[in-house]
Amino acid sequence: AQTVTQSQPEMSVQEAETVTLSCTYDTSESDYYLFWYKQPPSRQMILVIRQEAYKQQNATENRFSVNFQKAAKSFSLKISDSQLGDAAMYFCAYIYQGGSEKLVFGKGTKLTVNP
Amino acid sequence: SAVISQKPSRDICQRGTSLTIQCQVDSQVTMMFWYRQQPGQSLTLIATANQGSEATYESGFVIDKFPISRPNLTFSTLTVSNMSPEDSSIYLCSVRDRGYNEQFFGPGTRLTVL
Repeated sequence: AQTVTQSQPEMSVQEAETVTLSCTYDTSESDYYLFWYKQPPSRQMILVIRQEAYKQQNATENRFSVNFQKAAKSFSLKISDSQLGDAAMYFCAYIYQGGSEKLVFGKGTKLTVNP
Repeated sequence: SAVISQKPSRDICQRGTSLTIQCQVDSQVTMMFWYRQQPGQSLTLIATANQGSEATYESGFVIDKFPISRPNLTFSTLTVSNMSPEDSSIYLCSVRDRGYNEQFFGPGTRLTVL
């Protein structure tokens, strides 16, 4: 069964600094997608960034970028120039392109941004 | 991306009662999902609701406790039946964009059972 592991329950960063959130996953499949979701206190789940496993190039969305290491099954999220509004729970998620297509979530990392 | 609304946004209920949560999407979608998020926890999939067929429940969730309706491609309901304090959670509706395999979430319903 596929699993997603986020080893950092909590992280903190100073405003304007850079922080990296870790995620590892376990799968025997080769075609899949990986995501980072943000959940602020409003509880709305917001898709931050997605990565297709077949793409070697790391995805980037403005201040958010990923370091996708397929062989190591690692998918970390880097937030540059951190802002107070980045404070939230961040969930890493995996989905297999075929089969049951269930989105599998990690346990989350709570990010605090200090002014 | 799909715009998803949920009603109610929050509710406080007495044990033994039932609550029905509504999920409305602004476009037709094949796959809709219901998740539970217990306090301080990650999301747990309750069931997948496809239009025209019975919902598929995950291990640990049963239809008698969480009946689901999916009358059309833009709407679904989840009922939490015979509630107990352990049912206090956030319940989220979600839809899948198969073209990009992206999944979008509603704003959630915060349920407190006394």
